[in-house]
Formats: sequence, C-alpha cells, structure tokens
Amino acid sequence: SQELEQSPQSLIVQEGKNLTINCTSSKTLYGLYWYKQKYGEGLIFLMMLQKGGEEKSHEKITAKLDEKKQQSSLHITASQPSHAGIYLCGADTGGADGLTFGKGTHLIIQP
Amino acid sequence: NAGVTQTPKFQVLKTGQSMTLQCAQDMNHEYMSWYRQDPGMGLRLIHYSVGAGITDQGEVPNGYNVSRSTTEDFPLRLLSAAPSQTSVYFCASSRKPYNEQFFGPGTRLTVL
Repeated sequence: SQELEQSPQSLIVQEGKNLTINCTSSKTLYGLYWYKQKYGEGLIFLMMLQKGGEEKSHEKITAKLDEKKQQSSLHITASQPSHAGIYLCGADTGGADGLTFGKGTHLIIQP
Repeated sequence: NAGVTQTPKFQVLKTGQSMTLQCAQDMNHEYMSWYRQDPGMGLRLIHYSVGAGITDQGEVPNGYNVSRSTTEDFPLRLLSAAPSQTSVYFCASSRKPYNEQFFGPGTRLTVL
C-alpha cells in the first residue's frame, strides 16, 4: 500500500478562498517536506517540519505536523493565481534511500 | 552556485536507442538521486547514491544504469529505450538522504 497519501488529488478553488491539502503517512514521520512545482518546471522547497505539533508559515502558506507525526497539512489563505501548481509532500520515514513522495495535489485557482 | 543542473531539457528517442541524462551539483552534496515523474504516479525513485563510488537501486531501477565517479556528477543511462520510459526525469541532491532535496529543472524524455 502507498506509504504516503496526499489528498485531494486535485483542487479547483476560487481566487481569494482558503484551501487545505493533506499528507498522511502509514509510518512515523521523522521529517516532512512540502514542495511546489509549477507545470513543466522543477520542484521548489517550501517548508520542512520535524517536531510533533510543529507549525510553520511563509507568506500565506501554513504547514502543520500533527502530534503523532503521521499527518501534515498545508493551508493556503486567500489564494492567488500564483499559488497554482502541483504541491508534493516528501517524507523521511527512516529509510536509507531518501525521501518518499506523495503523488501530488494539482491546485487550480479560478479568477 | 548553479545548484543542480540537468541536460538535456528535452529529448526524443526511438525504441532501442541508448542515451545518458546528465546531472551535476556544485553544493558538495553526498546524496544524489534520480526520480521519474509520471501522471498519477508522483515521483518514483530510480537510483540513488550516498557518495562517490556508491550507488543503489530505488523503486523502479529496471532499464536504467547509474554511476558516481565524482561527488559532483550522477549520470543516468538508458541502455535500450522503451516507450514505457517516456517520462519527466528529475535529479536531486542533498547533504544526507533525509535532508531537504534540491531538484534540477528536469528532462522531458519521449520514446517513440
């Protein structure tokens, strides 16, 4: 089964509305990374969370890691067209081969 | 710093041809990896390396070879291209496997 589940797979949101993307792991998360990918481009690092209950914000994006360290959420407040793209979570679950990535959430912002 | 660079950006191959995707980083990172990204499949790990001279297989290694003769370079070789290898390929590097990954801009490969 998939180690890292992202939901929703796709999201269409009207400009100015808030939205939340979730990332759930079947294993303990020793580190959780959020990336954004614009269509046709590489991945840009957004934020990293490590401690249970940790929350970080950058501009209008807030990411949280739950106390049990198995789920993270990414919340965007007052969405803008520049927020459109694919959001991926990457997890350190203790393996030696690096981060495991979710399948991504496609975000479309409607004007 | 250039970060992680990949060449070429686009490539079209015929079935059975071979080619090498180039990846280089100038951050002195120990860990480097190759992913492929397909619609609905997310990023899947092909091969990775924890240092010069050390490589290992990821989730989808079949049909690909890698080598790591220097810290900076991590080329990915397609031995005999197949249409199933049509994908976008990303190279990434980090200080350690569990640190923030720095990604290259990607190579879009089409195999006819």
